[in-house]
Amino acid sequence: AAGVIQSPRHLIKEKRETATLKCYPIPRHDTVYWYQQGPGQDPQFLISFYEKMQSDKGSIPDRFSAQQFSDYHSELNMSSLELGDSALYFCASSLATVETQYFGPGTRLLVL
Amino acid sequence: AQTVTQSQPEMSVQEAETVTLSCTYDTSESDYYLFWYKQPPSRQMILVIRQEAYKQQNATENRFSVNFQKAAKSFSLKISDSQLGDAAMYFCAYRREAHQGGSEKLVFGKGTKLTVNP
Repeated sequence: AAGVIQSPRHLIKEKRETATLKCYPIPRHDTVYWYQQGPGQDPQFLISFYEKMQSDKGSIPDRFSAQQFSDYHSELNMSSLELGDSALYFCASSLATVETQYFGPGTRLLVL
Repeated sequence: AQTVTQSQPEMSVQEAETVTLSCTYDTSESDYYLFWYKQPPSRQMILVIRQEAYKQQNATENRFSVNFQKAAKSFSLKISDSQLGDAAMYFCAYRREAHQGGSEKLVFGKGTKLTVNP
């Protein structure tokens, strides 16, 4: 079965640079979620989209923005990167009528 | 705000034995869902089992089962016949019922690291 695809899988950036993370949900899934997991931490919710509209917002810095496109893929844009942004970024998808979220493999971001 | 508590930072079990991981949560909602996710060293988040709050019957998936006590707001995971591949971080997660479509975030506990000894 098709799973959530995230790209890139690994990313190394310098402080103050910009990064774009991409997420391709499971086919027919209409909802996308972004989570950030720091080292030794549990995943923290950043933002979600349902039918291409932002549906919920968590502890996402103002330096970050995201959107969901007409084909339901989503991009997380991160600007003015800080050392503390180094983390594993998960995208998850679901069908709105079904409550289970399925996670992608994550993007490991390292900010130097 | 909903909170999820996993009181066991680490647990260990002998191969082929049974282990139970604890999870409690706090919510004022009546409709919600509970999940256990497994995160092996690869750090992939893998769904293990889910439970709908409106169902009294405990969920079961092969060697994994839950003990859901709604009144006590408790949701423990039992792993039977433990295997080496079960070694991972286990996260308990809560999700409230979505209304009018849309989405609802997962709220995670801090996790329990399970070691399986051969």
